[in-house]
Amino acid sequence: GAGVSQSPRYKVTKRGQDVALRCDPISGHVSLYWYRQALGQGPEFLTYFNYEAQQDKSGLPNDRFSAERPEGSISTLTIQRTEQRDSAMYRCASSLGQQSDTQYFGPGTRLTVL
Amino acid sequence: SQKIEQNSEALNIQEGKTATLTCNYTNYSPAYLQWYRQDPGRGPVFLLLIRENEKEKRKERLKVTFDTTLKQSLFHITASQPADSATYLCALAGGWGNKLVFGAGTILRVKS
Repeated sequence: GAGVSQSPRYKVTKRGQDVALRCDPISGHVSLYWYRQALGQGPEFLTYFNYEAQQDKSGLPNDRFSAERPEGSISTLTIQRTEQRDSAMYRCASSLGQQSDTQYFGPGTRLTVL
Repeated sequence: SQKIEQNSEALNIQEGKTATLTCNYTNYSPAYLQWYRQDPGRGPVFLLLIRENEKEKRKERLKVTFDTTLKQSLFHITASQPADSATYLCALAGGWGNKLVFGAGTILRVKS
């Protein structure tokens, strides 16, 4: 079956523009996670959802970052007024919903802010 | 402060040998510890999970140990192969919900 998909795979934008990153989880997965990964580092947690409810957004760096999952499936991570420091790989993962469950990661979106 | 530390330098070993990777943590009380493999340009892929009440877990050539007293996990790959070359990430899960807290990863290079 299909894995986690993310779009776009690459996004180049100018400073000050808004961007929306999309994640399509594995069908039937309850939990959806957003991470950010810098080169040479492990993924850093941003936020996660169970169904459509945002359970934890403690990792969002500031209020320019927001996420939604309105129908409990596809999720969008939005960054407003992008800054150069937002440049990174943004990864989405999904799981069945238990704490011990495997998280399945997507290929990521490489965001570059000029 | 809370920290997860993995071998910062790359581990270079000869094919056929056992690779041992270390994950140490401070100021966490994880209920689970997971190991993931990440290849360049790809997302992490799950390998093994071990619970806080388990000492050791095995899967084919992989073995993971978990010592909650030492706050350490060791990840072993026996009879290593060049195809095992990748970055290996440890991740903690616990009383802070479902989110994973990752270490920075260790690069493993297996030479034939």
